[in-house]
Amino acid sequence: KQEVTQIPAALSVPEGENLVLNCSFTDSAIYNLQWFRQDPGKGLTSLLLIQSSQREQTSGRLNASLDKSSGRSTLYIAASQPGDSATYLCAVREKSSGDKLTFGTGTRLAVRP
Amino acid sequence: NAGVTQTPKFQVLKTGQSMTLQCAQDMNHNSMYWYRQDPGMGLRLIYYSASEGTTDKGEVPNGYNVSRLNKREFSLRLESAAPSQTSVYFCASSEALMGHRDSPLHFGNGTRLTVT
Repeated sequence: KQEVTQIPAALSVPEGENLVLNCSFTDSAIYNLQWFRQDPGKGLTSLLLIQSSQREQTSGRLNASLDKSSGRSTLYIAASQPGDSATYLCAVREKSSGDKLTFGTGTRLAVRP
Repeated sequence: NAGVTQTPKFQVLKTGQSMTLQCAQDMNHNSMYWYRQDPGMGLRLIYYSASEGTTDKGEVPNGYNVSRLNKREFSLRLESAAPSQTSVYFCASSEALMGHRDSPLHFGNGTRLTVT
């Protein structure tokens, strides 16, 4: 059974700092990996999707990498801002389970002004 | 563009009552999903519908039923609510999974359900 782990569970950084969020998964047979953002009381917003054949994806100040063989992905946030404060979740679409995603429990990020 | 719309936003039920959570998407997506989110447990898949006319069980289907009414709508029904079903429920949609190409999941804003 696929397990997705995100460490740390919570992170607090000062504004302007570059930071890395980690995601690890146990079964490397995946179609893709997605990073989401969730604001309090809201649904999830897709940030980046990396196909299994890709190594990284970039969107603005966000860069996500994927190392499928080691079962790891990182989300890099450059020059963090208070507006980046949210919970960040990763999810993998695994080949063995059909059209489903397995989610991590998220990293809660607070960016201090 | 509304995206994925869920109703209601909040609901309080007594144990044993029934209710239906509604979900509609306007992106012409083939696949739709129901998740529940509980503290410390992440999102868990309840049921999904890979395409119109099909539904399949996810990780935690017990106590729930679903209906894929048409391509736009996917409802989740609690026949006899229990306190263990207190949770935040999210509906999501995506284009159908075919091979290695895929599109991101789009989520609604959730329904916060309390069962007393």
